[in-house]
Amino acid sequence: SAVISQKPSRDICQRGTSLTIQCQVDSQVTMMFWYRQQPGQSLTLIATANQGSEATYESGFVIDKFPISRPNLTFSTLTVSNMSPEDSSIYLCSVREVVGLGQSDTQYFGPGTRLTVL
Amino acid sequence: GEDVEQSLFLSVREGDSSVINCTYTDSSSTYLYWYKQEPGAGLQLLTYIFSNMDMKQDQRLTVLLNKKDKHLSLRIADTQTGDSAIYFCAEILGNSGYALNFGKGTSLLVTP
Repeated sequence: SAVISQKPSRDICQRGTSLTIQCQVDSQVTMMFWYRQQPGQSLTLIATANQGSEATYESGFVIDKFPISRPNLTFSTLTVSNMSPEDSSIYLCSVREVVGLGQSDTQYFGPGTRLTVL
Repeated sequence: GEDVEQSLFLSVREGDSSVINCTYTDSSSTYLYWYKQEPGAGLQLLTYIFSNMDMKQDQRLTVLLNKKDKHLSLRIADTQTGDSAIYFCAEILGNSGYALNFGKGTSLLVTP
């Protein structure tokens, strides 16, 4: 399975600032996703980031607030812009891994970035 | 997406079996997944099942799938204290290019 790392693992930020979260994968993957997990909640998809195309955002998430880069097949960044306390969450990246034809289609997650906005 | 439903809390005694239930929304989801999240940790893929299967067994884990009722369950045999965690079921989110739609998670507490 793919091994995924994220930086930073956690951060405490001031309101109005921005934070860029990095996601690194140990193998080349086409599909990467960014999710948010608010305190005590489930995961919500922010956007799909495929290499070679613009990120696709889910309803309620916009590029100006969460710009995403996907420069190559092993790396992506998510920026949380102009932060407010409501942005305090865990941010996770994930990758899709497909084996064979119908053998398996799985998603693996990074360890997450725990963000607190004061 | 629509809500994937799970009961929020389950408590079992060590050594007993645990059954965590999930009702999903998208009958076209090719795969269905169970993830485990321990306190302060990321998501660990526990197991998954292809939609044309009714059952999958993997060591202490048994997944049952009832497509007619869109019902998925995870049975953990001989539950241990280390199994205490939050368990999320997930379906493939329609029209998303294979992103996942998660349930709210079931918090499993295993007592000695």
